[in-house]
Amino acid sequence: KAGVTQTPRYLIKTRGQQVTLSCSPISGHRSVSWYQQTPGQGLQFLFEYFSETQRNKGNFPGRFSGRQFSNSRSEMNVSTLELGDSALYLCASSLAGTAPETQYFGPGTRLLVL
Amino acid sequence: QKEVEQNSGPLSVPEGAIASLNCTYSDRGSQSFFWYRQYSGKSPELIMSIYSNGDKEDGRFTAQLNKASQYVSLLIRDSQPSDSATYLCAVNIRAGKSTFGDGTTLTVKP
Repeated sequence: KAGVTQTPRYLIKTRGQQVTLSCSPISGHRSVSWYQQTPGQGLQFLFEYFSETQRNKGNFPGRFSGRQFSNSRSEMNVSTLELGDSALYLCASSLAGTAPETQYFGPGTRLLVL
Repeated sequence: QKEVEQNSGPLSVPEGAIASLNCTYSDRGSQSFFWYRQYSGKSPELIMSIYSNGDKEDGRFTAQLNKASQYVSLLIRDSQPSDSATYLCAVNIRAGKSTFGDGTTLTVKP
């Protein structure tokens, strides 16, 4: 079974631009979570989607948004990029989105904001 | 107080030794606990999951959970240089949301 895939793998943007990242979960997985990882803040939870609905949300500003499609693929969007948004963005999928359940991570998208 | 705290590290052990990684969490409602390994520039890779009090062994890895003390640990026996990585403790409070510790960097010296 194919793992979690994320596209693109690398992105360079400038301040003020917006960006869209994509995540395809493991086949059959219905829950997709997004995380931001930076050297200073570690791995921080952004939000989670289950059955096309945002079910959990972290403490990030409204510039960070996401959605999930009927095939469970998910996108996250960051508008008005800031230098501090430079990070590794990871998505993770799980089967039914019920605890306890293991999340499997994709390879990540590395975003650099100049 | 952070929701999930790990020993700050870095931790250095000689090859063949036991490496001990510790994690405490603040929410007593936490249901499941995970250890991930992350190599530099890579995404986290699941090593162990544990849901009940006690020990869980998988090869050279043993996870220990004590919910009364809100404590999770990971022991790596016969440590190898390939075990050198950052180890992340993750706590799942509710479905779809995990909170991670800052990680402990382990170096295994040949």
